[in-house]
Amino acid sequence: GDSVTQMEGPVTLSEEAFLTINCTYTATGYPSLFWYVQYPGEGLQLLLKATKADDKGSNKGFEATYRKETTSFHLEKGSVQVSDSAVYFCALSDFGNEKLTFGTGTRLTIIP
Amino acid sequence: EPEVTQTPSHQVTQMGQEVILRCVPISNHLYFYWYRQILGQKVEFLVSFYNNEISEKSEIFDDQFSVERPDGSNFTLKIRSTKLEDSAMYFCASSEATGSGELFFGEGSRLTVL
Repeated sequence: GDSVTQMEGPVTLSEEAFLTINCTYTATGYPSLFWYVQYPGEGLQLLLKATKADDKGSNKGFEATYRKETTSFHLEKGSVQVSDSAVYFCALSDFGNEKLTFGTGTRLTIIP
Repeated sequence: EPEVTQTPSHQVTQMGQEVILRCVPISNHLYFYWYRQILGQKVEFLVSFYNNEISEKSEIFDDQFSVERPDGSNFTLKIRSTKLEDSAMYFCASSEATGSGELFFGEGSRLTVL
């Protein structure tokens, strides 16, 4: 079946550091890939997505590229801010629907 | 900005008791979902709901679970006889359409079964 494996947390970085959160997947079909973020006290919200190989999703300075050859969708940001502190979830949808398969989530804390 | 709201934020119950978790989806959304996350594990799909019926459910969603949209605004998840392993964070979500993968989630309801 489908599965998503993402970097175990928690991750703690200093402000302005470079961020990478790894995500790899297995899927039977040709999935769409997503990063969701949950800020403290809020629900999960879509951060970015990519629907086909080599697509790059981007939002709020975050980027992730759909790599079919390595079955990966790593999240990156060049310079993190304290406000980026949150839990980040990698997810896939195998049939273009909303039955998402999630990873466990990675808690990111940015210290000033 | 419209948001999905869930109540209660935390519920503690005894094993065998019935629990109802409530959700108010975004008003113009037509598709509704429940997901759950057991502590330390992955967020798992439970059920999707459209046009007053279940459109898809996972293996987890057995006869102990049911969903309902009792009026025009609420969407509920009922667990008929809770078990210890039902302890989890339950997330409600809604979407305007299907095919985009963009769900709008509530903050979650934490259920603790003793």
